[in-house]
Amino acid sequence: EIVLTQSPGTLSLSPGESATLSCRASQSVSSTYLGWYQQKPGQAPRLLIYGASNRATGIPDRFSGSASGTDFTLIISRLEPEDFAMYYCQQYTRPPPEYTFGQGTKLEIK
Amino acid sequence: QVQLQESGPGLVKPSGTLSLTCAVSGESISSDRWWSWVRQPPGKGLEWIGEMYHSGGTNYNPSLTSRVTISVDTSKNQFSLKMNSVTAADTAVYYCVANGYFSLEYWGQGTLVTVSS
Repeated sequence: EIVLTQSPGTLSLSPGESATLSCRASQSVSSTYLGWYQQKPGQAPRLLIYGASNRATGIPDRFSGSASGTDFTLIISRLEPEDFAMYYCQQYTRPPPEYTFGQGTKLEIK
Repeated sequence: QVQLQESGPGLVKPSGTLSLTCAVSGESISSDRWWSWVRQPPGKGLEWIGEMYHSGGTNYNPSLTSRVTISVDTSKNQFSLKMNSVTAADTAVYYCVANGYFSLEYWGQGTLVTVSS
């Protein structure tokens, strides 16, 4: 079983700063199968990034994703007030097909 | 754009069966896409329950496979989730999702299901 570990648990930053969120896999994961989601309180998650580095439809270019081995990174540049939320990474594995998530990183206003 | 809307009882008794339906609009459920259910216990993280394809193919979370069935009704453009033998640990917000490229692309707003007597 591949486990995704996100760090930090909480990240406190100010608007205008850049955020770097990490997701580490316990075993090799193809970057094709790695996604990032944003979730605000009381709302459904929203897909931000798929395939480790591809922005989903309508996602601003302030959001970028990268991969290096078992380490995946989400960078949010020039933080806007609406960016403060919970962020989850997700992997897809097979066989059998299965989606699993990291435990999340809370991005809060400093 | 695909829109999804969950519906079903908000309260289920322990040992009972949880039944939810997801109405899909903006796209045919018979399109070349898988459709998933994901849940989130209050204050906790996300758990994928399973997925289905319109032709009837299904895949389930190994930890839930013995209790879960996902089915499709193409005539109504909707798909459903049934989970039996529920306990308080199954209390969660349940989301239906339209899968994307090895990702979960479009999400319903979610529905809270509480398991309690």
